[in-house]
Amino acid sequence: EVQLVESGGGLVQPGRSLKLSCAASGFTFSNYYMAWVRQAPKKGLEWVATISTSGSRTYYPDSVKGRFTISRDNAKSSLYLQMNSLKSEDTATYYCARPTRDGTYYYFDYWGQGVMVTVSS
Amino acid sequence: DTVLTQSPALAVSPGERVTISCRASESVSTGMHWYQQKPGQQPKLLIYGASNLESGVPARFSGSGSGTDFTLTIDPVEADDTATYFCQQSWNDPYTFGAGTKLELK
Repeated sequence: EVQLVESGGGLVQPGRSLKLSCAASGFTFSNYYMAWVRQAPKKGLEWVATISTSGSRTYYPDSVKGRFTISRDNAKSSLYLQMNSLKSEDTATYYCARPTRDGTYYYFDYWGQGVMVTVSS
Repeated sequence: DTVLTQSPALAVSPGERVTISCRASESVSTGMHWYQQKPGQQPKLLIYGASNLESGVPARFSGSGSGTDFTLTIDPVEADDTATYFCQQSWNDPYTFGAGTKLELK
């Protein structure tokens, strides 16, 4: 059974940093791209970052580019999200998600339960 | 960015057929996917590639469309289908999601 378990969330002041982790199990982690998706309270979903199987390629939307860094440790089947210079608008539940490819597009077939990040003074 | 527009809410009675629409601001070919999210839970994949049913998802769910107009159909609707439904495109960068359609049962 595929499982994605996030950790590391909490309350952080604006401008500070936080690192999220995601422990994966039930599949060959090193064979899959991985991603982070967030959801602000009572809002929609926003893709945050994607990383290739080896970690050599990373992708971000403009809203977090230069502030967030996605990384992975295939030996530990773990995914990370380093978040720097946090802003109040980064307050959200952060989901670890597995993108799966079918033809020319990816979709998120497994999601973790999410971890809450609150940015406030 | 590709904007996905969904109607905010729908209310239907159990046993009825419901269609949830998603319109893209530019073509996404068939790179459209649908997720169900119940309160306090993570999203769950229902449909990928516009019309492909994810394994384990009841056949009451179906998807259609290509280009800019897409539909998720639930037939018949059951009480357990109360949730918010999101569309998501992965044809254009960056990947984007619709704001969600909240489905309520009468």
